[in-house]
Amino acid sequence: NAGVTQTPKFQVLKTGQSMTLQCAQDMNHEYMSWYRQDPGMGLRLIHYSVGAGITDQGEVPNGYNVSRSTTEDFPLRLLSAAPSQTSVYFCASRRGRVGGRLEKLFFGSGTQLSVL
Amino acid sequence: GQNIDQPTEMTATEGAIVQINCTYQTSGFNGLFWYQQHAGEAPTFLSYNVLDGLEEKGRFSSFLSRSKGYSYLLLKELQMKDSASYLCAVLDNYGQNFVFGPGTRLSVLP
Repeated sequence: NAGVTQTPKFQVLKTGQSMTLQCAQDMNHEYMSWYRQDPGMGLRLIHYSVGAGITDQGEVPNGYNVSRSTTEDFPLRLLSAAPSQTSVYFCASRRGRVGGRLEKLFFGSGTQLSVL
Repeated sequence: GQNIDQPTEMTATEGAIVQINCTYQTSGFNGLFWYQQHAGEAPTFLSYNVLDGLEEKGRFSSFLSRSKGYSYLLLKELQMKDSASYLCAVLDNYGQNFVFGPGTRLSVLP
């Protein structure tokens, strides 16, 4: 069982370049999300989706776009990379709530992005 | 607003017990989760609390007091492999998104 697969693992970009971070899960999870992790600041939510065709902004959405055309995939697009977007990015997914039960997040292995 | 505080770093000795505290002030609350994150790796789930009290899971226990906005993670019989960051996360008032604290980096010394 692959879980949450995130690619690439490392990426270096020049300021102004665009790129897409890929995220796929094979657990049929309804909810998917993208976080960035910076030293001393913890994980901050960028965008999230509660199902195919539905996306919404998190705490730090500026400079990022997402789409959710299928249940499995949730790519994150950097439109015009800036040095402030240098960070470690994590994709995470979970099941939708069933009968009030809380569901934990499953994380991808992360992408270390450097913008020069 | 959302504010979650944890100590930045802690050090403990192998075989000892350590308590990692988390205080939160959030606009809503639907549960508190603890995750473990080894350096260079993804966070992994440890435990969660919805109601006040202690939840025990082997060497790990987590406590919650909703009236005080306070939780702690208790690690017993520390092992070297427990050296990691421990993340406290609150599920928001819609029960949808997690708000994470800054994490506590624990170093276990021989």
